[in-house]
Amino acid sequence: SQQGEEDPQALSIQEGENATMNCSYKTSINNLQWYRQNSGRGLVHLILIRSNEREKHSGRLRVTLDTSKKSSSLLITASRAADTASYFCATHTGANSKLTFGKGITLSVRP
Amino acid sequence: EAQVTQNPRYLITVTGKKLTVTCSQNMNHEYMSWYRQDPGLGLRQIYYSMNVEVTDKGDVPEGYKVSRKEKRNFPLILESPSPNQTSLYFCASNKQLSYNSPLHFGNGTRLTVT
Repeated sequence: SQQGEEDPQALSIQEGENATMNCSYKTSINNLQWYRQNSGRGLVHLILIRSNEREKHSGRLRVTLDTSKKSSSLLITASRAADTASYFCATHTGANSKLTFGKGITLSVRP
Repeated sequence: EAQVTQNPRYLITVTGKKLTVTCSQNMNHEYMSWYRQDPGLGLRQIYYSMNVEVTDKGDVPEGYKVSRKEKRNFPLILESPSPNQTSLYFCASNKQLSYNSPLHFGNGTRLTVT
Protein backbone atom coordinates (compact mmCIF):
# COMPACT_ATOMS: atom_id res chain seq x y z
CA SER A 1 0.00 0.00 0.00
CA GLN A 2 1.28 3.48 -0.85
CA GLN A 3 1.71 5.63 2.21
CA GLY A 4 3.69 8.57 0.88
CA GLU A 5 2.86 10.20 -2.42
CA GLU A 6 5.15 12.78 -3.93
CA ASP A 7 4.13 15.78 -5.96
CA PRO A 8 4.88 16.74 -8.67
CA GLN A 9 5.85 13.56 -10.49
CA ALA A 10 8.43 15.44 -12.52
CA LEU A 11 10.12 18.80 -12.16
CA SER A 12 12.44 20.61 -14.52
CA ILE A 13 14.27 23.76 -13.43
CA GLN A 14 17.24 25.88 -14.37
CA GLU A 15 20.49 25.63 -12.47
CA GLY A 16 20.51 28.09 -9.60
CA GLU A 17 16.76 27.97 -9.06
CA ASN A 18 15.15 26.39 -6.03
CA ALA A 19 13.33 23.05 -6.27
CA THR A 20 10.39 22.26 -4.04
CA MET A 21 8.98 18.76 -3.79
CA ASN A 22 6.02 17.68 -1.71
CA CYS A 23 5.00 14.47 -0.03
CA SER A 24 1.62 13.59 1.45
CA TYR A 25 0.84 10.58 3.58
CA LYS A 26 -2.21 8.97 5.10
CA THR A 27 -1.54 7.63 8.59
CA SER A 28 0.38 8.77 11.66
CA ILE A 29 4.12 8.43 11.36
CA ASN A 30 7.19 8.09 13.58
CA ASN A 31 9.40 9.83 11.08
CA LEU A 32 9.57 10.82 7.43
CA GLN A 33 12.69 10.47 5.35
CA TRP A 34 13.83 11.76 1.98
CA TYR A 35 16.11 9.78 -0.32
CA ARG A 36 17.81 10.52 -3.62
CA GLN A 37 18.41 8.03 -6.41
CA ASN A 38 20.72 8.63 -9.31
CA SER A 39 19.72 6.74 -12.42
CA GLY A 40 19.68 2.99 -11.78
CA ARG A 41 21.67 3.28 -8.56
CA GLY A 42 20.83 2.63 -4.93
CA LEU A 43 18.93 5.15 -2.87
CA VAL A 44 20.93 7.53 -0.72
CA HIS A 45 19.50 8.95 2.47
CA LEU A 46 19.22 12.74 2.53
CA ILE A 47 17.40 13.77 5.66
CA LEU A 48 15.13 12.39 8.38
CA ILE A 49 12.55 14.41 10.25
CA ARG A 50 10.80 13.06 13.33
CA SER A 51 7.09 13.45 13.93
CA ASN A 52 7.74 15.98 16.71
CA GLU A 53 9.93 18.17 14.50
CA ARG A 54 8.69 20.83 12.10
CA GLU A 55 11.76 21.78 10.13
CA LYS A 56 15.27 20.48 9.49
CA HIS A 57 18.19 21.72 7.46
CA SER A 58 21.13 19.96 5.92
CA GLY A 59 23.36 22.01 3.66
CA ARG A 60 21.19 23.20 0.75
CA LEU A 61 18.31 21.01 1.85
CA ARG A 62 15.39 22.13 3.95
CA VAL A 63 12.62 19.77 5.00
CA THR A 64 9.38 20.72 6.67
CA LEU A 65 6.78 18.51 8.23
CA ASP A 66 3.16 19.39 8.94
CA THR A 67 1.58 16.50 10.81
CA SER A 68 -1.82 18.20 10.90
CA LYS A 69 -1.89 18.18 7.10
CA LYS A 70 0.06 14.92 6.85
CA SER A 71 2.50 16.48 4.45
CA SER A 72 6.17 17.26 4.05
CA SER A 73 8.19 19.33 1.64
CA LEU A 74 11.79 19.12 0.49
CA LEU A 75 13.41 22.32 -0.71
CA ILE A 76 16.72 22.26 -2.56
CA THR A 77 18.15 25.74 -2.79
CA ALA A 78 20.48 26.98 -5.51
CA SER A 79 20.12 23.77 -7.50
CA ARG A 80 22.98 22.30 -9.49
CA ALA A 81 23.05 19.98 -12.48
CA ALA A 82 24.36 17.29 -10.12
CA ASP A 83 21.04 17.43 -8.23
CA THR A 84 19.38 15.78 -11.23
CA ALA A 85 17.96 12.57 -9.78
CA SER A 86 14.80 10.95 -8.49
CA TYR A 87 13.69 11.89 -5.00
CA PHE A 88 11.61 9.69 -2.73
CA CYS A 89 9.85 10.29 0.52
CA ALA A 90 9.46 7.38 2.90
CA THR A 91 7.37 7.11 6.02
CA HIS A 92 8.05 5.02 9.08
CA THR A 93 4.96 3.99 11.00
CA GLY A 94 4.50 1.76 14.01
CA ALA A 95 7.10 0.46 16.44
CA ASN A 96 8.71 -2.14 14.21
CA SER A 97 6.99 -1.64 10.92
CA LYS A 98 8.55 -1.14 7.54
CA LEU A 99 9.57 2.02 5.78
CA THR A 100 7.11 2.73 2.98
CA PHE A 101 8.26 4.63 -0.08
CA GLY A 102 6.39 6.87 -2.48
CA LYS A 103 6.73 6.56 -6.25
CA GLY A 104 9.28 9.33 -6.50
CA ILE A 105 9.81 12.68 -8.20
CA THR A 106 12.10 13.07 -11.18
CA LEU A 107 14.07 16.28 -10.91
CA SER A 108 15.96 17.62 -13.90
CA VAL A 109 18.26 20.59 -13.41
CA ARG A 110 19.27 22.22 -16.68
CA PRO A 111 22.78 23.69 -16.83
CA GLU B 1 33.93 1.39 4.40
CA ALA B 2 30.39 0.86 5.68
CA GLN B 3 28.32 -0.60 2.90
CA VAL B 4 25.65 -2.95 1.65
CA THR B 5 26.92 -5.22 -1.10
CA GLN B 6 24.67 -6.96 -3.58
CA ASN B 7 25.68 -9.48 -6.19
CA PRO B 8 25.34 -9.83 -9.05
CA ARG B 9 24.80 -6.34 -10.46
CA TYR B 10 23.11 -7.69 -13.58
CA LEU B 11 21.47 -11.06 -14.11
CA ILE B 12 19.72 -12.53 -17.12
CA THR B 13 18.04 -15.88 -16.68
CA VAL B 14 15.29 -18.05 -18.09
CA THR B 15 11.91 -18.90 -16.65
CA GLY B 16 12.07 -21.57 -13.96
CA LYS B 17 15.80 -21.56 -13.32
CA LYS B 18 16.41 -21.04 -9.62
CA LEU B 19 18.59 -18.10 -8.68
CA THR B 20 19.93 -16.35 -5.61
CA VAL B 21 20.82 -12.70 -5.21
CA THR B 22 23.21 -12.16 -2.34
CA CYS B 23 23.24 -9.24 0.07
CA SER B 24 25.80 -8.54 2.76
CA GLN B 25 26.28 -5.62 5.14
CA ASN B 26 29.30 -4.83 7.28
CA MET B 27 27.65 -2.45 9.74
CA ASN B 28 26.35 -5.03 12.24
CA HIS B 29 22.81 -3.96 11.42
CA GLU B 30 19.92 -5.97 12.80
CA TYR B 31 17.33 -4.97 10.21
CA MET B 32 17.59 -5.95 6.54
CA SER B 33 15.08 -5.74 3.75
CA TRP B 34 14.56 -6.43 0.05
CA TYR B 35 12.74 -4.09 -2.32
CA ARG B 36 11.87 -4.25 -5.98
CA GLN B 37 11.57 -1.15 -8.10
CA ASP B 38 9.38 -1.01 -11.18
CA PRO B 39 8.49 1.97 -13.39
CA GLY B 40 5.39 3.74 -12.15
CA LEU B 41 5.20 1.60 -9.02
CA GLY B 42 8.08 2.93 -6.98
CA LEU B 43 9.78 0.73 -4.40
CA ARG B 44 7.82 -2.15 -2.96
CA GLN B 45 9.03 -4.26 -0.09
CA ILE B 46 9.39 -7.99 -0.70
CA TYR B 47 10.64 -9.35 2.63
CA TYR B 48 12.32 -7.99 5.70
CA SER B 49 14.22 -9.34 8.67
CA MET B 50 14.33 -7.81 12.14
CA ASN B 51 17.22 -10.04 13.25
CA VAL B 52 18.85 -13.43 12.73
CA GLU B 53 16.27 -16.16 12.04
CA VAL B 54 13.45 -13.57 12.05
CA THR B 55 11.92 -12.83 8.64
CA ASP B 56 8.55 -11.52 7.56
CA LYS B 57 6.64 -10.78 4.39
CA GLY B 58 6.48 -7.33 2.89
CA ASP B 59 3.98 -6.12 0.33
CA VAL B 60 4.92 -8.38 -2.58
CA PRO B 61 6.42 -11.63 -1.23
CA GLU B 62 4.91 -14.08 -3.75
CA GLY B 63 7.52 -15.98 -5.69
CA TYR B 64 10.38 -15.06 -3.36
CA LYS B 65 12.13 -16.63 -0.39
CA VAL B 66 14.70 -15.25 2.02
CA SER B 67 16.83 -16.53 4.84
CA ARG B 68 18.74 -14.88 7.67
CA LYS B 69 21.14 -17.39 9.12
CA GLU B 70 23.81 -14.80 9.88
CA LYS B 71 23.45 -11.18 10.83
CA ARG B 72 25.41 -9.84 7.88
CA ASN B 73 23.77 -11.83 5.06
CA PHE B 74 20.24 -11.74 3.68
CA PRO B 75 19.97 -13.60 0.36
CA LEU B 76 16.93 -13.34 -1.90
CA ILE B 77 15.93 -16.60 -3.56
CA LEU B 78 13.74 -17.02 -6.60
CA GLU B 79 12.90 -20.73 -6.74
CA SER B 80 11.17 -20.56 -10.12
CA PRO B 81 11.60 -17.12 -11.69
CA SER B 82 8.96 -15.80 -14.05
CA PRO B 83 9.04 -12.85 -16.47
CA ASN B 84 6.95 -10.70 -14.11
CA GLN B 85 9.88 -10.80 -11.69
CA THR B 86 11.98 -8.84 -14.14
CA SER B 87 12.83 -5.80 -12.07
CA LEU B 88 15.49 -3.79 -10.27
CA TYR B 89 16.11 -5.21 -6.81
CA PHE B 90 17.57 -3.44 -3.80
CA CYS B 91 18.77 -4.73 -0.49
CA ALA B 92 18.83 -2.33 2.46
CA SER B 93 19.84 -2.42 6.09
CA ASN B 94 19.31 -0.40 9.24
CA LYS B 95 20.63 -0.61 12.77
CA GLN B 96 17.09 -1.24 14.03
CA LEU B 97 14.04 0.04 12.23
CA SER B 98 12.53 1.26 15.45
CA TYR B 99 15.40 3.75 15.77
CA ASN B 100 15.20 7.08 13.99
CA SER B 101 17.99 6.17 11.59
CA PRO B 102 18.13 5.82 7.82
CA LEU B 103 18.23 2.83 5.55
CA HIS B 104 21.48 2.00 3.77
CA PHE B 105 20.96 0.66 0.27
CA GLY B 106 22.99 -1.58 -1.97
CA ASN B 107 23.62 -0.58 -5.58
CA GLY B 108 20.94 -2.83 -6.94
CA THR B 109 20.58 -5.98 -9.04
CA ARG B 110 18.92 -5.68 -12.41
CA LEU B 111 17.20 -8.98 -13.12
CA THR B 112 15.78 -10.01 -16.48
CA VAL B 113 13.77 -13.22 -16.74
CA THR B 114 13.05 -14.39 -20.29
